[in-house]
Amino acid sequence: SYELSQPPSVSVPPGQTASITCSGDKLGDKYTSWYQQKAGQSPVLVIQENRRRPSGIPDRFSGSKSGNTATLTISGTQPVDEADYYCQAWDTTTAVFGGGTKLTVL
Amino acid sequence: QVQLQESGPGLVDPSETLSLTCTVSGGSITNYYWSWVRQPPGKALEWIGYIDYRGNTNYIPSLKDRVIILVDTSKNEVSLKLGSVTVADAAVYYCARVRGSTNNQYFDSWGQGKLVIVSP
Repeated sequence: SYELSQPPSVSVPPGQTASITCSGDKLGDKYTSWYQQKAGQSPVLVIQENRRRPSGIPDRFSGSKSGNTATLTISGTQPVDEADYYCQAWDTTTAVFGGGTKLTVL
Repeated sequence: QVQLQESGPGLVDPSETLSLTCTVSGGSITNYYWSWVRQPPGKALEWIGYIDYRGNTNYIPSLKDRVIILVDTSKNEVSLKLGSVTVADAAVYYCARVRGSTNNQYFDSWGQGKLVIVSP
């Protein structure tokens, strides 16, 4: 089955840039979405279609892709950004989520 | 703004059927796909399947033999049935709206989730 790999954890000081990667076979040929999930809450879409921000998502969130690795970048990270982040792509007609990355802002 | 609300029993006996309903308000259920996603405690999100408003479905292969997703457009509801549950099926179950086009779809709205425990 198709798998997406994310680092389990990323730490960043407040105000700095956080980068979370997501890699998978032939991910370069697929669209990647990113979701933020704060403790005890439902996921929230923060990046769609590789790099598009939905309405209401701060512009410090950005998405990019290089080869088979997608990256979520948070510029000027704030304490409120501390959360789990999941990448997601489709393997033909099956949606696949990455294992999630816990972002700690300290 | 569309809102999704999951409901159903929070406790299911092993080997029985888990049944949940997602009620959609603030928008029509038509012209969209609707998915169920689950998350075991402390673990990652897992997609279960989706249905469109016409009733066409697609399920994750590992659950395909046990899962049914239904849609009731008259009630603006999507339902999930998962049979022969075990403790491994204990999770928070989310319903989510699917947007985008073929091969470019994403989950833009989520319910608050329903915790389901599997225990005798």
